[in-house]
Parts: sequence; structure tokens; C-alpha cells
Amino acid sequence: EAGVAQSPRYKIIEKRQSVAFWCNPISGHATLYWYQQILGQGPKLLIQFQNNGVVDDSQLPKDRFSAERLKGVDSTLKIQPAKLEDSAVYLCASSRDSFYEQYFGPGTRLTVT
Amino acid sequence: RKEVEQDPGPFNVPEGATVAFNCTYSNSASQSFFWYRQDCRKEPKLLMSVYSSGNEDGRFTAQLNRASQYISLLIRDSKLSDSATYLCVVNTDKLIFGTGTRLQVFP
Repeated sequence: EAGVAQSPRYKIIEKRQSVAFWCNPISGHATLYWYQQILGQGPKLLIQFQNNGVVDDSQLPKDRFSAERLKGVDSTLKIQPAKLEDSAVYLCASSRDSFYEQYFGPGTRLTVT
Repeated sequence: RKEVEQDPGPFNVPEGATVAFNCTYSNSASQSFFWYRQDCRKEPKLLMSVYSSGNEDGRFTAQLNRASQYISLLIRDSKLSDSATYLCVVNTDKLIFGTGTRLQVFP
């Protein structure tokens, strides 16, 4: 079974630029998550989708971050404009449904200079 | 108080040692619990779910104490390959990760 796919793996941008990350979950997984992991911390949930609807985006900085999951399959997370403090690893995860174990993709390491 | 708290470590132990990690959580309504393992510069991977009755998987034992709101992970006969960060995860209405406990097993 193929795992969660993410791209790009690495991205370096200057502050105030825009960036987008892509995630393709495990086939058949209804729930998709985006996490931000800053060095030395645990992952922090940014947004959770159930199929193509948003379940929780309470920790998403909506003035600069946006995410969508059209057709309930793959998803895109965008940052516009980026700030220095956005430097982190952005992890995508999926699960069969809420409360089931999550499977993570390899992440996108973002550096904002 | 943080929602999920872990001792960040590092725990430095010799091969063959037994090591235990604890994790406390603040929301008594939390419904499910997990331990994830994260290797350096890699994504977290599920190690084991934690059940009320406690559960064991080989050298790993996880326990849940709802009254005291903590979960634990015990690793017996530590191997060099166990070196990683162990993340405690609590599911209330969303997954909340602890900051992780770093384990370093030395020869």
C-alpha cells in the first residue's frame, strides 16, 4: 500500500514570498491533516479535513495560511506571505477516519530567509 | 498547564537497559491515546495505541491511568535502534502531540 505522498520535500523562500505544499493521502482515507512541526517541538495541528469538508482549523493562521481538499482526495496548503517564524516542517497525515491512527508523509522542510 | 506534557530528556541508557517514559494530559475527556516514534529528520510513525487495560508489543509496554491522567511507555532490553524521540499523543477532539522524549541508547 502506498504511503502518504508530499511535495516538495524542501523549499527555501524569502520572507513575504508565497509557497504551496501538496499532499496525496493513502487511498481510501477519509481524514487528512496538516501539521506544523517546529524544531524541538511536537507536531501542531493546523487543519483537519473529513473528505472535502473542514473539521478543525482553529490553529490555522488564516490571515496567511489557506488549505483546500478539492474532491476529497489530495490537498494543498498555502502560505502567503511567509514570515521567518513559518520555518518548520509541514507534515501531512491521513487516517481511515477520525480517531484512527494517523499515517504521516515525509514532510516538507520550509526555510524562510 | 500544557495539554500534553512529557519530559524532553534526553534519556541516555546502555543497551539492554529498561527505560520508562511518562506523559500527563490535562483533558479528562480525552478518548484515545498513542505513542509515536520519530527518528531524526523523519516523520512520526505509530508505535502503539494505548488501551485502558494496558497493552504489550514485544519489548514495549504501554499503560494508561485515567484517574491520574497519565500514560506510560516501558521499553525493555533497549537496542541501539530504539534511539529516537517518543511522542505521546492524546486524542480529545483532535490529536495533540507532546513535545517528545528523546532516547539515546549507547553500546
